[in-house]
Amino acid sequence: DVKVTQSSRYLVKRTGEKVFLECVQDMDHENMFWYRQDPGLGLRLIYFSYDVKMKEKGDIPEGYSVSREKKERFSLILESASTNQTSMYLCASSPRTGVAFFISGAFFGQGTRLTVV
Amino acid sequence: AQTVTQSQPEMSVQEAETVTLSCTYDTSESDYYLFWYKQPPSRQMILVIRQEAYKQQNATENRFSVNFQKAAKSFSLKISDSQLGDAAMYFCAYRSYQGGSEKLVFGKGTKLTVNP
Repeated sequence: DVKVTQSSRYLVKRTGEKVFLECVQDMDHENMFWYRQDPGLGLRLIYFSYDVKMKEKGDIPEGYSVSREKKERFSLILESASTNQTSMYLCASSPRTGVAFFISGAFFGQGTRLTVV
Repeated sequence: AQTVTQSQPEMSVQEAETVTLSCTYDTSESDYYLFWYKQPPSRQMILVIRQEAYKQQNATENRFSVNFQKAAKSFSLKISDSQLGDAAMYFCAYRSYQGGSEKLVFGKGTKLTVNP
């Protein structure tokens, strides 16, 4: 069974803390994504990566960074957590080639609900 | 930049009835992929159905089908014989491919309630 695993389902952090959200996939996918989900705003792309050590900014990268040292792992980093980063964070992975992407779509983790207090 | 618009924040349907969720998108590409995802209360995103733009035939997956109108840039989802388990958030998504990298662009979602 294919799997995208996020390290925590729920996380509570203090303002100013450095926060790491970890995501691991076991499907040998090239593409990995981090989305933020807020009510009424849908899923917004923070960062994505199509290869090890490669990263690209999505639509809302401010306040975040990412790391992809190994193909299976994609980490989202909140350098100094703020209350407006309280949200649901979803990690996803997909194959890179067009046809494979079409057939499988993207696979998602179960999300991390982060609360910054 | 590609955008995806879901104009119905919430919809409701009676069990066993049919409901249609709307989605429009904006793109300058001629070939692309479109998807509908379901997110039940468990939060796990599940791929419901996919459509390739160059194929005129509408995709179907059991009780789920799409009405794909390429010229109008419309991609609606029809759920027939609705079941209680269909209650979820539904997201329309567009696969964007630019400069060698690809990503999924999502709409804001439609919350579907199924009434017994």
